Amino acid sequence: DGGITQSPKYLFRKEGQNVTLSCEQNLNHDAMYWYRQDPGQGLRLIYYSQIVNDFQKGDIAEGYSVSREKKESFPLTVTSAQKNPTAFYLCASSIQVGSYTFGSGTRLTVV
Amino acid sequence: AQSVTQLDSQVPVFEEAPVELRCNYSSSVSVYLFWYVQYPNQGLQLLLKYLSGSTLVESINGFEAEFNKSQTSFHLRKPSVHISDTAEYFCAVSVPDYKLSFGAGTTVTVRA
Repeated sequence: DGGITQSPKYLFRKEGQNVTLSCEQNLNHDAMYWYRQDPGQGLRLIYYSQIVNDFQKGDIAEGYSVSREKKESFPLTVTSAQKNPTAFYLCASSIQVGSYTFGSGTRLTVV
Repeated sequence: AQSVTQLDSQVPVFEEAPVELRCNYSSSVSVYLFWYVQYPNQGLQLLLKYLSGSTLVESINGFEAEFNKSQTSFHLRKPSVHISDTAEYFCAVSVPDYKLSFGAGTTVTVRA
C-alpha cells in the first residue's frame, strides 16, 4: 500500500544534540512538507520541497534543516540552534493542491 | 497571503446531537478550502474539500461543509455525531499551486 512513513514514532534528544527525523513516501508525489504541531497552535510549516534537489523555508525554519536528494525522502534535522524543539512533527506529501497525505508523526522530547 | 481562523478551540457535544465547527478565511484571490481530521497521536486525514463547483461538499461519514464566498466561511457540520467523531478538526486554505495554511484546530469531544 502507498503511504508516508515517519520514523521513529518517539524520539528523545539531549540538550545540544542534533537529531534527524525520517520521512519516506512511495506515492510518487513531487511535493513534500514538514510541519510542527504544538497544542493550540495548529500546524506551522517548517520547510517544503516541490521538486528533488530544491526546498524552501516555511514560516518557522530557524533551527531546522532539510535535504531532498531523492523524490521519496525528505529528512528533517532539528539542530541545537532550535531553542524549543519539543513538539509533534508531521511530514506530508501531495500531488495536487490541498490533497495532502500525512505520516503518523514523530513526537520529539528534549530531556 | 491567505490565513484561516477557527472560531472555537473546544466543542463539547452529546452523542447524536448536531455539531458545527466554524472556519473563516482571508485571501485576496480565489482559494481552495479543506477540512482535515486528526485522531489522537496520528497524522491528519482529509475529510472534505472545496475546489470549485457546488458550494456544498460532503464526506463519506456524514460531515458536510458549505463554501460561502460573501462571508468568507467554510463551516463544517454534522447532524448527528458519534463517539468515534471525537477528534481534532483543522480547516485549511490554499491558493492554486501553493501550500496549505492551517487554522489552530477545534477539538470535538463527544459524550454519551
